[in-house]
Amino acid sequence: AQSVTQPDIHITVSEGASLELRCNYSYGATPYLFWYVQSPGQGLQLLLKYFSGDTLVQGIKGFEAEFKRSQSSFNLRKPSVHWSDAAEYFCAVATWGGSQGNLIFGKGTKLSVKP
Amino acid sequence: GAGVSQSPSNKVTEKGKDVELRCDPISGHTALYWYRQRLGQGLEFLIYFQGNSAPDKSGLPSDRFSAERTGESVSTLTIQRTQQEDSAVYLCASSLVVGPTEAFFGQGTRLTVV
Repeated sequence: AQSVTQPDIHITVSEGASLELRCNYSYGATPYLFWYVQSPGQGLQLLLKYFSGDTLVQGIKGFEAEFKRSQSSFNLRKPSVHWSDAAEYFCAVATWGGSQGNLIFGKGTKLSVKP
Repeated sequence: GAGVSQSPSNKVTEKGKDVELRCDPISGHTALYWYRQRLGQGLEFLIYFQGNSAPDKSGLPSDRFSAERTGESVSTLTIQRTQQEDSAVYLCASSLVVGPTEAFFGQGTRLTVV
């Protein structure tokens, strides 16, 4: 069955430090992968997506993610974190149908930023 | 409309009352999802509509929860005899086509059962 795992429930980084949020997926075919961000009290906003092609994808707000098929991973990175990046981050895989429709979400990683 | 619209944005109801939450998807989007997000928790899948196919109700937590969608337009999520554990943000999302594609989310309805 398709699934998405975000191993880190909560991460705290200092402002200006680099960030990597982990995401592993389980899906038999070519995955379509997404990272969404949810700021406090807000809905989910798409940060970036991978459908095909270059395995390093750039997103909004200075984020990037790298698709590694051999590791079934799609980790999100940012070289220098800003206080406004404090939010919850969700990784998702889109599939051709499944028990939850076409979208499977991870449980999320909450990012806190220290001044 | 330009985005997914949900109403009301906030709803406070008394335990035992029924509530209806509304979602207006992006025009032309065939797929529509409902999720529940309890305080400090991740997304909990509730139900999924795809065009005129039978909805996938596998995530509905109890028979007090139901949802309808007319064609490819508005959806309503109904919670009957609300309980305090139903307090959460209910998020709606829509996507354009069948198969792998990105979903667009509404701002959610914050439901508080007192």
